[in-house]
Amino acid sequence: AQSVSQHNHHVILSEAASLELGCNYSYGGTVNLFWYVQYPGQHLQLLLKYFSGDPLVKGIKGFEAEFIKSKFSFNLRKPSVQWSDTAEYFCAVTPDSGGGADGLTFGKGTHLIIQP
Amino acid sequence: GAVVSQHPSWVICKSGTSVKIECRSLDFQATTMFWYRQFPKQSLMLMATSNEGSKATYEQGVEKDKFLINHASLTLSTLTVTSAHPEDSSFYICSVGGGGQPQHFGDGTRLSIL
Repeated sequence: AQSVSQHNHHVILSEAASLELGCNYSYGGTVNLFWYVQYPGQHLQLLLKYFSGDPLVKGIKGFEAEFIKSKFSFNLRKPSVQWSDTAEYFCAVTPDSGGGADGLTFGKGTHLIIQP
Repeated sequence: GAVVSQHPSWVICKSGTSVKIECRSLDFQATTMFWYRQFPKQSLMLMATSNEGSKATYEQGVEKDKFLINHASLTLSTLTVTSAHPEDSSFYICSVGGGGQPQHFGDGTRLSIL
């Protein structure tokens, strides 16, 4: 079975600071990788995804993530954060089962607080 | 992306009651839906995969007789928590998607058992 580890449970940054949230996964095969964000009082929203191809993927709101296969990592980055980025961030993985539908395995989440 | 509607958003009931939660895919015909559970300040845990027209697939440790799943149509899956007890209090979330597409999540249902 797969597992996901997010290194930072709580991160506090000032506006305009750069952000990197760590995510490592454990699985013996090919995976699809995701970052989801949950703003206070809202449902999970997809930030970005990696299925195949260019390991550097760009998502919404200026976020990007890089898949490094050798490190089993999929870290999330943003060069300059805004107060509105305050939210819970979840890394998730699902086996690449060739079109079959599989549930997601989530990391424990990172609570990001941006101070004005 | 798919729009997913969950109902109710919040339910409070007495211990021993059965509670039904609905998950609707509003613009996408879903042969598969997923049910997750989220405890406070913790991550989402996959409970089961809901399969249209067939039995749900439960994750290890999830009691299938406790959490009944019905997926009678391509747009509706229901999760019934039977004889709920305080330890079943949690946030239940459904999603639609997978199979090469990202999953889209409902707003969740907060279940509180007194």
